Amino acid sequence: GESVGLHLPTLSVQEGDNSIINCAYSNSASDYFIWYKQESGKGPQFIIDIRSNMDKRQGQRVTVLLNKTVKHLSLQIAATQPGDSAVYFCAENISPRNAGNMLTFGGGTRLMVKP
Amino acid sequence: DGGITQSPKYLFRKEGQNVTLSCEQNLNHDAMYWYRQDPGQGLRLIYYSQIVNDFQKGDIAEGYSVSREKKESFPLTVTSAQKNPTAFYLCASRDRGIEDTQYFGPGTRLTVL
Repeated sequence: GESVGLHLPTLSVQEGDNSIINCAYSNSASDYFIWYKQESGKGPQFIIDIRSNMDKRQGQRVTVLLNKTVKHLSLQIAATQPGDSAVYFCAENISPRNAGNMLTFGGGTRLMVKP
Repeated sequence: DGGITQSPKYLFRKEGQNVTLSCEQNLNHDAMYWYRQDPGQGLRLIYYSQIVNDFQKGDIAEGYSVSREKKESFPLTVTSAQKNPTAFYLCASRDRGIEDTQYFGPGTRLTVL
């Protein structure tokens, strides 16, 4: 079946550098995407989302880019800090809001920040 | 404080026993979800509920059961029929009317001894 996946399972960056985490999706009908951050032993925490009618959305130190042509999603973290170390998941909305709003999750990318 | 709570944080079960995981939210969200997470993997949907007294199976419902008698509560029972229940269980909720984002609780780690 169609699903969301990630290119890089582990990303190691130097503190202060920018991080880019990538995600590929295959369901062309998906219209909503979310990035979550999960620290060890905790539940996923919402970071940022984007709808399919947008190419870019910015938050505090984070930017999500959506390329619908190649079905690619990325999360950019500016000036990466040790507190950013975690596993990052992308998720896509595979069903309408009135049909349960199911999300399909990728396998996750572990971000390691070196001091 | 508004949010989603799960209890217990850690749970140990002997083989053949049923256990119930609690999920409570005071966000006034209509929709609630249960996911299972195995080490180094993403989340898989077990059950979801869009409104009180209604719930639907997700991708991996076998060996699990749920109830939704109250809007605030969505307990998950892991039955003895679940062959490999050791995992991290996550509950989420969503404001069905206006949002597409799901917000997660802190999780319960279940270990079968």
